[in-house]
Amino acid sequence: AQSVTQPDIHITVSEGASLELRCNYSYGATPYLFWYVQSPGQGLQLLLKYFSGDTLVQGIKGFEAEFKRSQSSFNLRKPSVHWSDAAEYFCAVGALTGGGADGLTFGKGTHLIIQP
Amino acid sequence: EAGVAQSPRYKIIEKRQSVAFWCNPISGHATLYWYQQILGQGPKLLIQFQNNGVVDDSQLPKDRFSAERLKGVDSTLKIQPAKLEDSAVYLCASSLNLVPFFGPGTRLTVL
Repeated sequence: AQSVTQPDIHITVSEGASLELRCNYSYGATPYLFWYVQSPGQGLQLLLKYFSGDTLVQGIKGFEAEFKRSQSSFNLRKPSVHWSDAAEYFCAVGALTGGGADGLTFGKGTHLIIQP
Repeated sequence: EAGVAQSPRYKIIEKRQSVAFWCNPISGHATLYWYQQILGQGPKLLIQFQNNGVVDDSQLPKDRFSAERLKGVDSTLKIQPAKLEDSAVYLCASSLNLVPFFGPGTRLTVL
C-alpha cells in the first residue's frame, strides 16, 4: 500500500529565512506527487505537482519541489518565507491505474509557523 | 472559473442522527472525490467517482456512509447514523486531468 511520511509535525522559521519541508513516499508504481497548502478553515490549495520530466518543479507563491527517485522524496522549498506562508502543508501521492487516476494518499501534514 | 462548491459549511448533530453533504464540482470535471479529514491528520479518501460510476469505495464505511452522483455532476455524501468519531471536515474534490481541486469543506461536529 502506498504511504506518505512528513516527518516534521511543526516547523518554525523566521520571516525572510529559507524553508524546506520534507516528504517521503512509498509506492510500488511510478508516482505522481503534489504539495497542497491549507489555511485555517479553508480547503486545500494546490502549490505544485510532479508527473514526469524535469525533477525540479516550480509552483505558485515562490515554492518549488524536487523529486528524487533514489531517496523516494519530494521536498518542498522556498528561498524566503513571508508571514502569509504560515499554514498547514500536505504532501500527497497518487498513481495511474487501469481505470485512470486513483485517489491521493496524503501525509499527516506539517504546520508552518513564521516568527517575525 | 468557479471552484468546487460545498454545502453546508458547518453542521452540528447528535450521535445517531443522520446528515447529508452536497458537492458541486468544477464544470466539466468527470472525476469527483470525497475525503474525510480528522483534526490533526491529512485527508483520507472515502470514495471516488468517474462520471456517475464508483471507481473506488474501499475506505468508505458502508454500514453508515453512502454517496451518490446520479447525473455525473453533483454528489451527496450521507452518514446514517452518525457516531462521535465521524466528527471531521468532509472535503469534496474534482479533477479533469489527474489534478484534484478541493472545495472549502464541511465541518461536521457530532455531539
